[in-house]
Amino acid sequence: DVKVTQSSRYLVKRTGEKVFLECVQDMDHENMFWYRQDPGLGLRLIYFSYDVKMKEKGDIPEGYSVSREKKERFSLILESASTNQTSMYLCASRPLAGGLVYEQYFGPGTRLTVT
Amino acid sequence: AQSVTQPDIHITVSEGASLELRCNYSYGATPYLFWYVQSPGQGLQLLLKYFSGDTLVQGIKGFEAEFKRSQSSFNLRKPSVHWSDAAEYFCAVALMDTGRRALTFGSGTRLQVQP
Repeated sequence: DVKVTQSSRYLVKRTGEKVFLECVQDMDHENMFWYRQDPGLGLRLIYFSYDVKMKEKGDIPEGYSVSREKKERFSLILESASTNQTSMYLCASRPLAGGLVYEQYFGPGTRLTVT
Repeated sequence: AQSVTQPDIHITVSEGASLELRCNYSYGATPYLFWYVQSPGQGLQLLLKYFSGDTLVQGIKGFEAEFKRSQSSFNLRKPSVHWSDAAEYFCAVALMDTGRRALTFGSGTRLQVQP
């Protein structure tokens, strides 16, 4: 089974802190994604990565950055956390074979509260 | 711009009753279509997917979905709902001609099951 793990299930941070959310997948997937989930808005893409050191902005990248130094790990960074970044953050991964689309596999999520 | 609409925010059904969750997409060509389920406190799990071919697709947990090109719809159905089906359901599309490999999600439908 594909496993996507996220470093924390719940996190509480203060405004202005630098926050790291870590995601690890164990299936050698090329693509990895960070989404945030808010009630009534579904999931919105923050950033995604095609491969190591490759990244691309999603729909809502402002206030976030990412890092992918190893294939299995994709980190989301909040440079200076703000209260409007309080949300559920979901990481996903997906294999890429011949350009075909395969489903994404999701981690359990990190519920971040910024006070 | 492409979009995914789930018109029902919240649905309540009785256990044993049939279920249909609606999903419409706005896009010029046929996208790849997915339904995911999120149980409380969990990540997203893939229920089923449609890429091409037979427009009625079977998924896990007794769910099925039908792609109707003329209506730009991909509705999810289950003939008899179980209490364990209470969860949030997300429809998603992947649009292949944009070069973007992420998914666009609907806002979700929360299902409650009455005993």
